Amino acid sequence: DAGVTQSPTHLIKTRGQHVTLRCSPISGHKSVSWYQQVLGQGPQFIFQYYEKEERGRGNFPDRFSARQFPNYSSELNVNALLLGDSALYLCASSLSQQGARNTEAFFGQGTRLTVV
Amino acid sequence: AQKITQTQPGMFVQEKEAVTLDCTYDTSDPSYGLFWYKQPSSGEMIFLIYQGSYDQQNATEGRYSLNFQKARKSANLVISASQLGDSAMYFCAMREGYETSYDKVIFGPGTSLSVIP
Repeated sequence: DAGVTQSPTHLIKTRGQHVTLRCSPISGHKSVSWYQQVLGQGPQFIFQYYEKEERGRGNFPDRFSARQFPNYSSELNVNALLLGDSALYLCASSLSQQGARNTEAFFGQGTRLTVV
Repeated sequence: AQKITQTQPGMFVQEKEAVTLDCTYDTSDPSYGLFWYKQPSSGEMIFLIYQGSYDQQNATEGRYSLNFQKARKSANLVISASQLGDSAMYFCAMREGYETSYDKVIFGPGTSLSVIP
């Protein structure tokens, strides 16, 4: 079975540009979450989508947006890139929105974004 | 206020020895879950072990065990018989609010573990 897949694996963008990152969850998983991990820190929650609806949002500016498609894959969009947006962006999928207490989140390998 | 604290930025352990990675957390929610993840240099987060706030026994998964002390709000990870492949960043994480409508995991700052041959 394929795990969570993210594309691209690496990306270099210029300040002011926009970027789209993609995530395909594990087959059967309806929940996708996005995290930003700045070098030397733990991941920070950005968004969660479940059944194509935004269910939660972290403390990130409106330049960050996302969506989930009918096949449960997801895109994370970041507009007007800043140098500080350079980070590893992780996508996680899980079976349920919440409730199953030991539902683990399975992570992809991440997209390493560098803004220059 | 920081919800997950990992006070050991870096740890060294001799191969085949046991090591304890510390984690303390802060929540007022009576229902929560605690996780440990391993992140090798490749970047992927690998799930290791889970402990629920209502679980009576400490969780174990192979060489990993979680020393859960609810009153002290600590959830230390114990790795027995360390292997060279255990060298990685280790993150303690918490999911709180099972009554909320979304699923948010809060991560600590991580501990870098190096296993010495």
